[in-house]
Amino acid sequence: DTAVSQTPKYLVTQMGNDKSIKCEQNLGHDTMYWYKQDSKKFLKIMFSYNNKELIINETVPNRFSPKSPDKAHLNLHINSLELGDSAVYFCASSDGGGGSYNEQFFGPGTRLTVL
Amino acid sequence: AQSVTQLGSHVSVSEGALVLLRCNYSSSVPPYLFWYVQYPNQGLQLLLKYTSAATLVKGINGFEAEFKKSETSFHLTKPSAHMSDAAEYFCAVRSGSARQLTFGSGTQLTVLP
Repeated sequence: DTAVSQTPKYLVTQMGNDKSIKCEQNLGHDTMYWYKQDSKKFLKIMFSYNNKELIINETVPNRFSPKSPDKAHLNLHINSLELGDSAVYFCASSDGGGGSYNEQFFGPGTRLTVL
Repeated sequence: AQSVTQLGSHVSVSEGALVLLRCNYSSSVPPYLFWYVQYPNQGLQLLLKYTSAATLVKGINGFEAEFKKSETSFHLTKPSAHMSDAAEYFCAVRSGSARQLTFGSGTQLTVLP
């Protein structure tokens, strides 16, 4: 019973392509997140949705567009992929989006390689 | 504003030795603090969290951390390292009504036989 799942686990693509990463959580949480982990393992928040509403939108290129069809899903679409987009992308979820001390549960990650 | 500093990007200990991973935070309001572990090619897993209930927090796998407000620290310790503890460890802070966690840069723990 995977709590937070992501597909695909690995994604290798050419520069300029458009790709999507899917995330699903079965924990009943109301908040979901996307993080980017670079080659030095630094983790940075990209987006967060609470009850399908965007609540965090850090400074990321417009080529990245999150979509939340329902509370259990948060997908990440990336247009015109660039070499610098190569990283591991993590989806996470938590119960409560504002001021909550509830921990975030992370998916296994999607390793994106742009050639 | 909130931030986290993890001193030492790499820490090596011998099996059976004390593990000490350092974390200092900056927060204008009382923070919530977390330690996560990341094993190779996996996602992050919560080790423990501080939510102001008790300053000494016990987590999974024998880890614990002590919140020291005067030192703005939340160091992670384990009395005796196991080979299976080798991983990347992240400290994170969430301040007051902030909607997001801010992570430190991580500490790679190596356990030597």
